Amino acid sequence: KAGVTQTPRYLIKTRGQQVTLSCSPISGHRSVSWYQQTPGQGLQFLFEYFSETQRNKGNFPGRFSGRQFSNSRSEMNVSTLELGDSALYLCASSPDPGGHRWGYTFGSGTRLTVV
Amino acid sequence: AQSVTQLGSHVSVSEGALVLLRCNYSSSVPPYLFWYVQYPNQGLQLLLKYTTGATLVKGINGFEAEFKKSETSFHLTKPSAHMSDAAEYFCAVSDPNAGKSTFGDGTTLTVKP
Repeated sequence: KAGVTQTPRYLIKTRGQQVTLSCSPISGHRSVSWYQQTPGQGLQFLFEYFSETQRNKGNFPGRFSGRQFSNSRSEMNVSTLELGDSALYLCASSPDPGGHRWGYTFGSGTRLTVV
Repeated sequence: AQSVTQLGSHVSVSEGALVLLRCNYSSSVPPYLFWYVQYPNQGLQLLLKYTTGATLVKGINGFEAEFKKSETSFHLTKPSAHMSDAAEYFCAVSDPNAGKSTFGDGTTLTVKP
C-alpha cells in the first residue's frame, strides 16, 4: 500500500513569490490535513479537507489556501511568500475526518525555504 | 480547547535502559490520544493510540502507553531502549469538534551506547 506522497521534497523561493505544494493521500483516505512545522512554533494546523470540502482552518493568514480534488489529492498554496513561511509542510491523511479515531499517516513533507 | 504538555524537551537514556516520555493533556471532551515518532528529515509516524477501552495500549517497536484519566496523563514507555529509538516523539490529542489534532512541543530522545 503506497504511503502519503508529497511533492516536491525541497523548494527554495524568493520573498513575494507564490508556491504550490501537492499531496497524494493513501488510497481510500478521504481526509487530508496540512500542518506547518517550525523549530519555534512546533506543529501548527493549517487546514483539513474531507471529500473536497474544507472542514476546518487554523489561524493562518489568507495567503495560505488549499483545495482537494475528487480523487482526494490535495494542494496547498502560499502567495506573497515571507521569510517566516520557511518551514516543513506536512500532509497527513486519514480515513476519518480529522484523523480523530484512526490517527494520521503523514507524508515526508516539503521543506520550503524562502530567501 | 485541547492542549498537550510534554515534560522535558530532551531525554537521554543508555541503551537497554527504560524509556519514559511524559505527556499531560487537557481536553473538554473524552480524549483521543496519540503518540507519534519523527526521524530526521521525515514525517511523523503513528506509534500508538488510545480511543476507548483498555487504558494500557501497545504500539509498534515495543512502545506502550497508559491512559490515566485521574492524572490527565498518557506517558510513553519502553522497557529497553535501542539505538534506533533515537528520534523526536510527539504526543497529540484529537479534537473532533475542531477536526484536528493538537500536538505537544516534542521530546527528543537520545540513546547512549
